[in-house]
Amino acid sequence: KQEVTQIPAALSVPEGENLVLNCSFTDSAIYNLQWFRQDPGKGLTSLLLIQSSQREQTSGRLNASLDKSSGRSTLYIAASQPGDSATYLCAVRPGNRGSTLGRLYFGRGTQLTVWP
Amino acid sequence: SAVISQKPSRDICQRGTSLTIQCQVDSQVTMMFWYRQQPGQSLTLIATANQGSEATYESGFVIDKFPISRPNLTFSTLTVSNMSPEDSSIYLCSVKSRHTDTQYFGPGTRLTVL
Repeated sequence: KQEVTQIPAALSVPEGENLVLNCSFTDSAIYNLQWFRQDPGKGLTSLLLIQSSQREQTSGRLNASLDKSSGRSTLYIAASQPGDSATYLCAVRPGNRGSTLGRLYFGRGTQLTVWP
Repeated sequence: SAVISQKPSRDICQRGTSLTIQCQVDSQVTMMFWYRQQPGQSLTLIATANQGSEATYESGFVIDKFPISRPNLTFSTLTVSNMSPEDSSIYLCSVKSRHTDTQYFGPGTRLTVL
């Protein structure tokens, strides 16, 4: 069974800092990896999706990298802002046939607070 | 992208009762899923909602407790039956886009069982 771990569990930084959030997974046979953002009392917003054949994806101030062989992904947030405060979730979609098609395995998330 | 709505957004229920949660998508999607997020925990897949047939449940979840319907490609319901305080969670509907691999999530239903 795929297990996804996110470190750190919580992070509090001043505005303007560059951040790195870490995600690791136990089974490297993945189809893709997706980063989400969850605001309090809200659903999940998709930030970036990296296919298993890709090394990184970028969107604005966000950059996600994937090292499938070592079972790791990082989400880099440049020049953080208070509006970035949220919980960031990493989710892995397995690539093997033994898993439910399309299902995602989630980490517990990193709760980020960016203060002015 | 897909826009997903869920009803209700939150509810407080008594032990032993049932609650049906609705999920509506603004476009036809190939796959719909129901997840649960217990306090302080990661999201866990309950089942895949199959259009016109019985849902496919993950280990630890059964149809009698979580009956699911999906009458068409844009709508699904999840019922939480005979509720207990342990069912207090956020329940989220998720869909997979027909055109990409990105998965989208609804705003969630926050359920509290007293």
